[in-house]
Amino acid sequence: QKEVEQDPGPLSVPEGAIVSLNCTYSNSAFQYFMWYRQYSRKGPELLMYTYSSGNKEDGRFTAQVDKSSKYISLFIRDSQPSDSATYLCAMSAYNFNKFYFGSGTKLNVKP
Amino acid sequence: ETGVTQSPTHLIKTRGQQVTLRCSSQSGHNTVSWYQQALGQGPQFIFQYYREEENGRGNFPPRFSGLQFPNYSSELNVNALELDDSALYLCASRPGGSGNTIYFGEGSWLTVV
Repeated sequence: QKEVEQDPGPLSVPEGAIVSLNCTYSNSAFQYFMWYRQYSRKGPELLMYTYSSGNKEDGRFTAQVDKSSKYISLFIRDSQPSDSATYLCAMSAYNFNKFYFGSGTKLNVKP
Repeated sequence: ETGVTQSPTHLIKTRGQQVTLRCSSQSGHNTVSWYQQALGQGPQFIFQYYREEENGRGNFPPRFSGLQFPNYSSELNVNALELDDSALYLCASRPGGSGNTIYFGEGSWLTVV
């Protein structure tokens, strides 16, 4: 079993839709949770970072962490064609010696 | 702009050859890690360096090795290249002190033929 599971998609939505991206994990030691956006053939770009359980909002993006269910989500409101990319979840335990990534969900926002 | 730069951006090598990939990060980012990302997959942790010492390693064979230098630059070396080594190699740096996430460069695309 992988440490982090993420639905690869692709996920196709119309412009303006609310997008929900999710990851599950198995290691209860994970405390730091991140979402990265990766455009084709580019390096991942940090979008959101959260610690432990709870919600964090930044503009159109909201990250949620439910440690009891080992489940994290990223919501994108009013999605735009420029949001079309692969979204990677990542997580780490307290020592930050290694970050574990999901396989990425490819999102396509249609104009 | 993450302040992490990698070189070269693309390269092609022959099976059995050796390759060195380079990374430069911001001043104060004293932790650097390297990841391998195969097509359609998430990044896989290769190893991490802190103050020029390796302090974490993933499930990669010894032919993957690295160095970190005092000027916040680092190298990833891969010997005896195999076809499966074809991937995007990502360098990531982490700020010292309270920094608890990582910032990636644009990566080096390696093709082994």
